[in-house]
Amino acid sequence: DAGVIQSPRHEVTEMGQEVTLRCKPISGHDYLFWYRQTMMRGLELLIYFNNNVPIDDSGMPEDRFSAKMPNASFSTLKIQPSEPRDSAVYFCASSLAPGINYGYTFGSGTRLTVV
Amino acid sequence: DQQVKQNSPSLSVQEGRISILNCDYTNSMFDYFLWYKKYPAEGPTFLISISSIKDKNEDGRFTVFLNKSAKHLSLHIVPSQPGDSAVYFCAASEGNNDMRFGAGTRLTVKP
Repeated sequence: DAGVIQSPRHEVTEMGQEVTLRCKPISGHDYLFWYRQTMMRGLELLIYFNNNVPIDDSGMPEDRFSAKMPNASFSTLKIQPSEPRDSAVYFCASSLAPGINYGYTFGSGTRLTVV
Repeated sequence: DQQVKQNSPSLSVQEGRISILNCDYTNSMFDYFLWYKKYPAEGPTFLISISSIKDKNEDGRFTVFLNKSAKHLSLHIVPSQPGDSAVYFCAASEGNNDMRFGAGTRLTVKP
């Protein structure tokens, strides 16, 4: 397995534009997580899915953020409209289970810059 | 509300010496703790973990200590090597709930 695959690796967009980040989890992993890394708060959980169903989206900062998982092998995180303060590295991770005894496997991240 | 805190954003250590990275948490219900290591332009990778029923777990040069009464854990790296230079994230979970991460500590090991 190639691991968790995220695309694009880098995204530069203008304020107000729509941005879509993509993630392919490891096959067989039932849980998928979207994190945002910032200097001040480290890795913040935005949302996670279990078997393609959103379980906890309390970390999604605003209505401008939305995430979908149409099938077990694909998820998207969309920001519309994007703002400069959304600039960060966004990580997707997948796991067999959300907590104990199971480490998460992270993708390489998408560095988003909103100008 | 940050439930997992890493108060030192950076740490610099000489090669061969001990590196000690600290982590504090506020949720007494956390029962599993992990350390992740992150190199630039890569995602975090699992390093070592500890269950709340233990106070120490060792894996080669890496040892994690847990002090439940103080809600504190630490990662010791002995001896430190230049290849250990990375950002280290502390994480905690309660049962099968999702993990919460700290802000990270950037470790630099100087040759």
